[in-house]
Amino acid sequence: QVQLVESGGGLVKPGGSLRLSCAASGFSFSDYYMNWIRQAPGKGLEWVSYISSGDSSISYADSVKGRFTISRDNAKNSLYLQMSSLRAEDTAVYYCARGIASPGAGWFDPWGQGTLVTISS
Amino acid sequence: SYELTQPPSVSVSPGQTASITCSGDKLGDKYTNWYQQKPGQSPVLVIYQDSRRPPGIPERFSGSNSGNTATLTISETQAMDEADYYCQAWDSRTVVFGGGTKLTVL
Repeated sequence: QVQLVESGGGLVKPGGSLRLSCAASGFSFSDYYMNWIRQAPGKGLEWVSYISSGDSSISYADSVKGRFTISRDNAKNSLYLQMSSLRAEDTAVYYCARGIASPGAGWFDPWGQGTLVTISS
Repeated sequence: SYELTQPPSVSVSPGQTASITCSGDKLGDKYTNWYQQKPGQSPVLVIYQDSRRPPGIPERFSGSNSGNTATLTISETQAMDEADYYCQAWDSRTVVFGGGTKLTVL
């Protein structure tokens, strides 16, 4: 079955860096665009970034632009999020989600179980 | 930046119909998708492209989108439908989520 498994979360000091990974299985990973979406504790969903199937198209939320970098390795069926200059407001559960249809008009299904990132001194 | 507005909470009695709205400028010109999130779980897609239902989602879930408002309707609401619901749309090359609506089945 289609499965997304995130890893790499943890406790990081403000200003630090962290790399999240998302391992995909059960579908042809290289055929889909992929997304990172986060949820601060007790808050709503916030889209972070997407990357097209061949990584030719990438987009970021303004809140992370210049600090986060999305990438993928289709040979390893893996999605990544390199996060730097981390701030307290980046504390959240980070989900990876498969994008269906095309960026600009698509939807997200399924979502992984999420990995918690905590930014604190 | 584009914004989607949802009511923070909606209450419904078991067996009744619940309607959750999502408002945005000319939202009817875009596709709206809806996600259900139960406590401690990841979001699940329940409606895509305004009104389409993914496999496995009960027929009591339906959606519509016109003008400035998209609506998620849950008919014959059950206790298991109690959850947070989020609408989602695209604004050019970025994704926008509504603030979420907590559905309480009393």
